[in-house]
Amino acid sequence: GQQLNQSPQSMFIQEGEDVSMNCTSSSIFNTWLWYKQDPGEGPVLLIALYKAGELTSNGRLTAQFGITRKDSFLNISASIPSDVGIYFCAGPPQNYGGSQGNLIFGKGTKLSVKP
Amino acid sequence: DAGITQSPRYKITETGRQVTLMCHQTWSHSYMFWYRQDLGHGLRLIYYSAAADITDKGEVPDGYVVSRSKTENFPLTLESATRSQTSVYFCAVPNEQGTYGYTFGSGTRLTVV
Repeated sequence: GQQLNQSPQSMFIQEGEDVSMNCTSSSIFNTWLWYKQDPGEGPVLLIALYKAGELTSNGRLTAQFGITRKDSFLNISASIPSDVGIYFCAGPPQNYGGSQGNLIFGKGTKLSVKP
Repeated sequence: DAGITQSPRYKITETGRQVTLMCHQTWSHSYMFWYRQDLGHGLRLIYYSAAADITDKGEVPDGYVVSRSKTENFPLTLESATRSQTSVYFCAVPNEQGTYGYTFGSGTRLTVV
């Protein structure tokens, strides 16, 4: 089946650093979503991308829909302590038929603070 | 207006017991979803429902049963709990019509001992 591969699996950040992560698939996706999960909570949608090449920002977060439609990237600029958490990419599988079908999720990138 | 609520928040049960996790929404979305989250696996779809009395399997349905007699409720039942079902369970509903993505509940952390 279709899979989303996230990289890196985990990373440590120091306040003020920029952070980059990506999500790749062997299949084409027509929509890319990025979620953040805080400890003990459900994931929350950060950014949605609908078109190849699209670049969308949400505050210090910027996400890009890859030209090949097989990848997406999330950047966080000038990280702050509350950025820690797990970041998931997600997208609708190719056999999905409507606007409310199910989503496939990557395994996540865990952001932690450098000790 | 809580939107989507899950109960209980935490549950410890014994192997072989039946346990039901509840999910309630106040928005009347036709679709509802159950995911489980495990280290190394991310979020995996267990079951989903397109409307009352319509349910379908996801990626990992074995050992689970769902029902949807009312639009607002989507309970998930583990008929005979196993240790491998120790996980965090999330219920979700779609975002507003025309936008992609889900709104998730706060989750139920289930431990099977």
